[in-house]
Amino acid sequence: GNSVTQMEGPVTLSEEAFLTINCTYTATGYPSLFWYVQYPGEGLQLLLKATKADDKGSNKGFEATYRKETTSFHLEKGSVQVSDSAVYFCALSDLQGGSEKLVFGKGMKLTVNP
Amino acid sequence: DAGITQSPRHKVTETGTPVTLRCHQTENHRYMYWYRQDPGHGLRLIHYSYGVKDTDKGEVSDGYSVSRSKTEDFLLTLESATSSQTSVYFCAASSGTIYNEQFFGPGTRLTVL
Repeated sequence: GNSVTQMEGPVTLSEEAFLTINCTYTATGYPSLFWYVQYPGEGLQLLLKATKADDKGSNKGFEATYRKETTSFHLEKGSVQVSDSAVYFCALSDLQGGSEKLVFGKGMKLTVNP
Repeated sequence: DAGITQSPRHKVTETGTPVTLRCHQTENHRYMYWYRQDPGHGLRLIHYSYGVKDTDKGEVSDGYSVSRSKTEDFLLTLESATSSQTSVYFCAASSGTIYNEQFFGPGTRLTVL
């Protein structure tokens, strides 16, 4: 079945450091890919998405490019802030059975120190 | 904010008792989902609904049942709670196309003693 593998951490960075969170996937067909973020004590919210190969999703300084040849969707940010401390989930859309579902990675907790 | 609320937000119960969690949405989304979040497992789908009275199982459905009698409400029932069902439960809703995001509620922390 479809699956997502991502870095699990936890990771601690200093403010203004560069961030990369690796995400690779296994899927039949051409899924859409997503990054969700969960701030402390809250539910998940969509950070960015890409719906086809070579698409780049971006939001709040974060970027990720849908790479079909390497089945990857790595999340990057050039300069992290304390407010980026959260858990980050990579996910893909799964249309097996005809109903849209998301398959999530296990999440990676990021802490950014001042 | 996609108008998704969950109740209760916290619950402590005893092994063997039935528990019902409620999810309510105000955006008329067709699809609704229940997940559980556990350390080391990320989010796992329990059940989902693709319309009123239309539901299906996710990957960890054993011990859970759901009902959706109205578009806006999706109930998750633990028929006889066990300690392994101690978790944080999230409800989500979406319009149901692969390009649309899922909107999540704030979660319910359930402890089964």
